[in-house]
Amino acid sequence: EIVLTQSPGTLSLSPGERATLSCRASQSVSSNYLAWYQQKPGQAPRLLIYGVSSRATGVPDRFSGSGSGTDFTLTISRLEPEDFAVYYCHQYGDSPPRDTFGQGTKLEIK
Amino acid sequence: EVQLVESGGGLIQPGGSLRLSCAASGFTVISNYMTWIRQAPGKGLEWVSAIYSGGSTYYTDSVRGRFTISRDHSKNTLYLQMNSLRAEDTAVYYCARGRGVMSSHLDYWGQGALVTVSS
Repeated sequence: EIVLTQSPGTLSLSPGERATLSCRASQSVSSNYLAWYQQKPGQAPRLLIYGVSSRATGVPDRFSGSGSGTDFTLTISRLEPEDFAVYYCHQYGDSPPRDTFGQGTKLEIK
Repeated sequence: EVQLVESGGGLIQPGGSLRLSCAASGFTVISNYMTWIRQAPGKGLEWVSAIYSGGSTYYTDSVRGRFTISRDHSKNTLYLQMNSLRAEDTAVYYCARGRGVMSSHLDYWGQGALVTVSS
């Protein structure tokens, strides 16, 4: 099983600042099958990024993903008030499936 | 418009059974990889079970032999039959659609169904 470790656990920033969230895998993620989700309190997760760097439909272009192999990054270029939430990375694509999620990074208002 | 609506959650005693349903609209459940993801109170996301478009089923080790994933094409609904429930199964259970026919990113999620296992 691939273990995903996200850092930091909590990130305190102000609106307008740049956010950089990290996701490190215990072994190489096959074919760059790495996604990012945003979850707000009381809501289901929302897909932001898939395939490391492809934005999902309707996701603003201030969200971007990068990385390869075992190190991946979600960047939010300029934080808006609605971006404060918990973010999860997710690796997928194996057969049989062995999907795993990171433990999450909470992005909070400073 | 794609929508997923879960139902069937509730309070159940340890050792009991519960069946979750996930009614889909805007696509057919047999066309996509479908999964159940759970989230224990205050915790992160955990992959629980999945069914390929072709019908193959898969489970995480902690639920294998106790949970069964299935789907009904005529009702366009995904199910999770949960037997021999334990306290550690307490969580919000989400159904989610994979973008492809096998393990893939999850582009649509239901609102979640809370399952509480307690005496």
